[in-house]
Amino acid sequence: QQKVQQSPESLIVPEGAMTSLNCTFSDSASQYFAWYRQHSGKAPKALMSIFSNGEKEEGRFTIHLNKASLHFSLHIRDSQPSDSALYLCAVSMQGGRALIFGTGTTVSVSP
Amino acid sequence: EAAVTQSPRSKVAVTGGKVTLSCHQTNNHDYMYWYRQDTGHGLRLIHYSYVADSTEKGDIPDGYKASRPSQENFSLILELASLSQTAVYFCASSDRGSGNTLYFGEGSRLIVV
Repeated sequence: QQKVQQSPESLIVPEGAMTSLNCTFSDSASQYFAWYRQHSGKAPKALMSIFSNGEKEEGRFTIHLNKASLHFSLHIRDSQPSDSALYLCAVSMQGGRALIFGTGTTVSVSP
Repeated sequence: EAAVTQSPRSKVAVTGGKVTLSCHQTNNHDYMYWYRQDTGHGLRLIHYSYVADSTEKGDIPDGYKASRPSQENFSLILELASLSQTAVYFCASSDRGSGNTLYFGEGSRLIVV
């Protein structure tokens, strides 16, 4: 059964700094990797996703994927107070019909 | 944008009672999901469906049943609610399965007393 773990559990970053979040997965057959963001009391919302090894950038957000290391990460450049939220990574296998989510990282950006 | 609506948004249930959480989507998506979230934690998959009249077990199906009577509607049923089922429940839909974006409803907060 796929295991998805995130680190750290929580972190506080100053406004304008870089936020780095990590996600590890257990199944080397995993094919799809995504990050979701959930503001307090709200529904999770997709941020970005990647299929292939390497890096993908969208605005202030960058995702890195290393399948051999069973690891992917999310980096947020120039962090803003509005980035304060619970960040969830998610993984699925080829042909998999459901996303398996990680345990979450709570990010607080201090003004 | 995709629309997924859940009802009720909040409910207090008694231990041993029956609870039904409903989900309706207007996205014409084939896949629908029920996840559970405990305070401040990640999402755990309970049941999902990729076609009407058929449901599949997720990672934590014990104590829950699901029903997909139509493409638009997906229900989660707790036949005998227990204290441990106190949580927030999220419904989601997606097009063509997990390699595509999930669109979540606003959640149903269930408190079992």
